[in-house]
Amino acid sequence: GEEVAQTPKHLVRGEGQKAKLYCAPIKGHSYVFWYQQVLKNEFKFLISFQNENVFDETGMPKERFSAKCLPNSPCSLEIQATKLEDSAVYFCASSQSLGQETQYFGPGTRLLVL
Amino acid sequence: QKEVEQNSGPLSVPEGAIASLNCTYSDRGSQSFFWYRQYSGKSPELIMSIYSNGDKEDGRFTAQLNKASQYVSLLIRDSQPSDSATYLCAVGYGSSNTGKLIFGQGTTLQVKP
Repeated sequence: GEEVAQTPKHLVRGEGQKAKLYCAPIKGHSYVFWYQQVLKNEFKFLISFQNENVFDETGMPKERFSAKCLPNSPCSLEIQATKLEDSAVYFCASSQSLGQETQYFGPGTRLLVL
Repeated sequence: QKEVEQNSGPLSVPEGAIASLNCTYSDRGSQSFFWYRQYSGKSPELIMSIYSNGDKEDGRFTAQLNKASQYVSLLIRDSQPSDSATYLCAVGYGSSNTGKLIFGQGTTLQVKP
């Protein structure tokens, strides 16, 4: 597609429950990025993929967060045993390549952990 | 010290004025710099990208980059109420080019009619 698609738009989970978010990058884009936006403006890089391969996972809290990009499927970000501080908007972005290449952002998934 | 710093504002300017938004970054190896606009409840939208020292103009927007001073700015000429939003400075992390963007905390701009 021409836009990055993210589902669901909103997700509510009780503390300790699992949350799974999905992202379909723009067709033809090889790179997918996940960012977490907490408290309105604090963006944090989580992980990036080059096609189905993890490219940079330096931002991932590894004990509870995992992500995948499988062929012919939307990419996913999964949080096991959610905590209150996981409440945030999770944005997915995609780009054709790296470097001087715009990252196009999806509409985000708003996760609320109660 | 944060890796990318912006004044959170709000920056308030009258309609038709020039709005000046500033950003400093700590990693001297950074090579790519972006300004995104984010309306409340929406996703970031790219306004400008800049990679070389100097000015880059696009319509009412001018980005300025000074790598020696580790400073990036965005000027908005003839500000309109529709420009009221949060402006995010994003820096491509380091010289190894992984595509990872480090964001500042954003500057809220209010353009008053």
